[in-house]
Amino acid sequence: GQQLNQSPQSMFIQEGEDVSMNCTSSSIFNTWLWYKQDPGEGPVLLIALYKAGELTSNGRLTAQFGITRKDSFLNISASIPSDVGIYFCAGRKVSTGTASKLTFGTGTRLQVTL
Amino acid sequence: GAGVSQSPRYKVAKRGQDVALRCDPISGHVSLFWYQQALGQGPEFLTYFQNEAQLDKSGLPSDRFFAERPEGSVSTLKIQRTQQEDSAVYLCASSFFVAVNTEAFFGQGTRLTVV
Repeated sequence: GQQLNQSPQSMFIQEGEDVSMNCTSSSIFNTWLWYKQDPGEGPVLLIALYKAGELTSNGRLTAQFGITRKDSFLNISASIPSDVGIYFCAGRKVSTGTASKLTFGTGTRLQVTL
Repeated sequence: GAGVSQSPRYKVAKRGQDVALRCDPISGHVSLFWYQQALGQGPEFLTYFQNEAQLDKSGLPSDRFFAERPEGSVSTLKIQRTQQEDSAVYLCASSFFVAVNTEAFFGQGTRLTVV
């Protein structure tokens, strides 16, 4: 099935560094979400974006919904060891409500070294 | 319970065996989703229920896959005559509202290995 394109696929960074990852699609999505998944766990929602151009923060995390509605990015500032994990973007086609499937990205694996 | 509960956490099945995977959503949640996550990939949609009604089953890969939610709470995903390509983590997610932007919570998943 379709998966959104995420980059980079993986990254190794030092504690304290800022991280940036993005997600692109060939088609329009009206909701963009960012999740983090730890080994053996289900995805946990980090940030939800519902309007094109929207910029939203959650602590050290900032995400933006691209104007074209075909992309989104996630920034993590001042990374810490517990930021290690796999980050997934996800898009939803419907513009209101959540009664519709999500299309997930291919994931970005983040490793943080001390 | 406080979250979405899935059982079993791990299942090993011999090729050709039937399996049943259970999802207990958060109490009162209307929407329930099943996703399949292959190793190293993002989750892929399988099917969606609103209460007991299966409104979207477009992601089920074959007629060997069947899902039900007869009383609008617990859901079961059944896979008949399992094959090696069915090996994956199966994730369940539930949410309370459907008409407003309240995102679903995911369970820990069931890891299915077909040998």
